[in-house]
Amino acid sequence: AIQLTQSPSSLSASIGDTVTITCRASQVLYSALAWYQQKPGKPPLLLIYDASTLEVGVPSRFSGSGSGADFTLTISSLQPEDFATYFCQHFTTYPLTFGPGTKVDLK
Amino acid sequence: QIHLVQPGVEVRKPGASVKLSCKASGYTFTSHAISWVRQAPGQGLEWMGWISTQNAYTNYAKKFQGRVTMTTENSATTAYMELRSLSPDDTAVYYCARDRNTGSAFFEYWGQGTLVTVSS
Repeated sequence: AIQLTQSPSSLSASIGDTVTITCRASQVLYSALAWYQQKPGKPPLLLIYDASTLEVGVPSRFSGSGSGADFTLTISSLQPEDFATYFCQHFTTYPLTFGPGTKVDLK
Repeated sequence: QIHLVQPGVEVRKPGASVKLSCKASGYTFTSHAISWVRQAPGQGLEWMGWISTQNAYTNYAKKFQGRVTMTTENSATTAYMELRSLSPDDTAVYYCARDRNTGSAFFEYWGQGTLVTVSS
């Protein structure tokens, strides 16, 4: 199974900061990677798919990049509602796997 | 609007089974596969498997093979996931999620999740 690692596991940031989260895969994914945001007590919310395509309705301050085995989620100008945990997920082949998550909290 | 509705809470004793439901509405049920994903308290997301709503084909994560069964009742637009031989380690929120489409197994729609507590 493809393993996903995320870094950092947590970070503290201020409103207006730019935040970058990395997801690294144990195999080449091409562009079959998605990013989710999750808040406590809620299901995940799809942000990005195909590594860089913004889901409809997601603010443009979220962006994704990368291909192969290394991917990045960037949040520009962090807003109060962005404090949450972020997960990557590959969909290259089964079994699907998720990264362990990156928690973004207020500095 | 598209909805996946799941019951809120289930409580079971160790060794028991649980069968969770996921009622879909707002789209053509047989056009999208359903996956089940669980999340233990304070932990990450774990994909358990998926079922094709077109032909009932299933693909289970190796960890759950032999202990899980996913089914659908298309006339009721409902998917089910049964997990047997429960242990306290199975305490988690269980989500159903709809695939975007064939070949794109990421999830734009999720149920609210069912909290399964396994305790004696």
